[in-house]
Amino acid sequence: EVQLVQSGAEVKKPGESLKISCKGSGYTFTTSWIGWVRQMSGEGLEWMGIIYPGDSDTRYSPSFQGQVTISADKSISTAYLQWSSLKASDTAMYYCARPRGYSSSPFDYWGQGTLVTVSS
Amino acid sequence: SYVLTQPPSVSVAPGKTARITCGGKNIGSKNVHWYQQKPGQAPVLVIYYDSDRPSGIPERFSGSKSGNTATLTISRVEVGDEADYYCQVWDDNSDPLFGGGTELTV
Repeated sequence: EVQLVQSGAEVKKPGESLKISCKGSGYTFTTSWIGWVRQMSGEGLEWMGIIYPGDSDTRYSPSFQGQVTISADKSISTAYLQWSSLKASDTAMYYCARPRGYSSSPFDYWGQGTLVTVSS
Repeated sequence: SYVLTQPPSVSVAPGKTARITCGGKNIGSKNVHWYQQKPGQAPVLVIYYDSDRPSGIPERFSGSKSGNTATLTISRVEVGDEADYYCQVWDDNSDPLFGGGTELTV
């Protein structure tokens, strides 16, 4: 069974750094893309970026380029989303999701979400 | 940049048919996927490649496309279908894109 299990909720202060994780299981981690999606409270889904753990090929949405870093550690089947300096506006739910393939495929598996709260 | 347009809300009585639209330029040339998101839960894929249903999704859920509009149709709507629904494509830059979402009220 394919599963994406995300790390727990985080409460941080503005300016702090953060790295959240998404561990994949039940499939070959290195041959599937993993994407990250932001959902601010009461808002819609926003694609942030996507990584191919096999070779770390990474693409970012123009809206998030330079704001976050996506990485993966294939030795532990885990993808990461990190911030070097959080802002209050980063407060949101973050989902990882696995598309069946790249370009034209659906995201058929989703993590449970990680709630990030940034507040002074 | 490519834009997917959904109505913010759709309201339907139990047992009736709900239709949620997703508009986009040349959407006929793209594969459209639909997700259901209930409060406090992660999105769930309900229709993929325009009209295919994942296993476990009721036959009441169907998808279609015509012109510049894709449509998610939910027949014999149940109270349990109340949720936000999002359409999704990959744009001309091969980046995923979601519509703004439609809140279905039953």
